[in-house]
Formats: sequence, structure tokens, C-alpha cells
Amino acid sequence: SQTIHQWPATLVQPVGSPLSLECTVEGTSNPNLYWYRQAAGRGLQLLFYSVGIGQISSEVPQNLSASRPQDRQFILSSKKLLLSDSGFYLCAWSEPPNTEAFFGQGTRLTVV
Amino acid sequence: DQQVKQNSPSLSVQEGRISILNCDYTNSMFDYFLWYKKYPAEGPTFLISISSIKDKNEDGRFTVFLNKSAKHLSLHIVPSQPGDSAVYFCAAKASGTYKYIFGTGTRLKVLA
Repeated sequence: SQTIHQWPATLVQPVGSPLSLECTVEGTSNPNLYWYRQAAGRGLQLLFYSVGIGQISSEVPQNLSASRPQDRQFILSSKKLLLSDSGFYLCAWSEPPNTEAFFGQGTRLTVV
Repeated sequence: DQQVKQNSPSLSVQEGRISILNCDYTNSMFDYFLWYKKYPAEGPTFLISISSIKDKNEDGRFTVFLNKSAKHLSLHIVPSQPGDSAVYFCAAKASGTYKYIFGTGTRLKVLA
């Protein structure tokens, strides 16, 4: 069966520091991969999605970037964190025919 | 532009009664709809989905109804249980696209 791993679970970072969140999926090939963010009191905002290695679509211009160096690995990065980057970050995957998406456990990022 | 809207931020229901969570969408290209349940500090869990070719889908205590003309869907939980207390997200997707668009969520509290 398929599983998704996302780490770390919690992270406290100072303003201006870099960020790297990693997500891996097991048990499937060529999944679609997603990064979402849930800000306090808000819904799930799609940040990036990828349909293949090296293919990244950005939904919201911001201080973050994403990369997919391997088929089942998705990385969310920032060179310099802002206070407004605080939130709950979620990685998700889906596979054709792209019906349901399945989420990881999330990373709580607090920028101080 | 919020394409998927959940206008009720919270809902309280007595145990054993019916919970009805509502969702509206604006994009007529959406043809697949999903409901997710989310506990604090965890990733959303897929509950139930419905394709636009149907108007009802049922899975145990959960039933989703779709009214395409009104661009409205609802999730019915019968009977409600205390363990159902969580935030429920509605999501929508258009065929041929990869993006899942989420609403802002409704916090359900089932009172014992």
C-alpha cells in the first residue's frame, strides 16, 4: 500500500533562516505531488504541485520554492524565511486518474 | 477569488443527530468533489467523494449530495458521534487538471 512521509513534524526557525521540508511517497510510481499550507484560521492553500520529476507548478507567488529531484520526493524550500511563512505545511499525493489526494501528517512551522 | 466556499465556520450537533455540512463552488468546470476530515496537528483524511455524473454517494454514516444547478454540495453524517468532532474540508477538482481546490473548512463539534 502507499504511504507518505513528511518531516519534520514541528519546526521553529528564526526570521531570515533557510527552510527545507521533505516529503516522500512509497508504493506508487509517478505520483502527482502537492504542497499545501494551512494558515491560522484559513483553509488549505495550494502552493505548488508537480506531475513529474523536475516539473513544478507554482500557484502563489511568494517566498517559497519547490523541487522534485526524484520521482517520489518533493521538497519545499526557502532561502530566507519571513514571519508570514508560519503555518501548517502539508504534502499530498495523487495518482491517475487523479481522483483522491492523500495527505501527510504535516509540518508545523513557526517563524520567530 | 475563493472558488470553493464553506460559509459556516462552525457547527454543533448533539450525539446521535444528523450533521449537515455545506459547500458552494463557483467554477462550473469542477466535476469531482471531495470531503476531508482533519484533526488538529494532523493531515486531512479523505472521507468521501462524488463525481458530477452523480447526485448522491453514500458510504456508511456519510452521504454526500451534489446539486450541480445550484453549485452546492453537502455532507450528511448520520448518526453523529463524538469522534466525528473535527474540521471538515470540502474540495473540488476539474477533469484534465491536477489541482484540488479547498474550502476554508467547517469545525464540527458533536456534543455527548
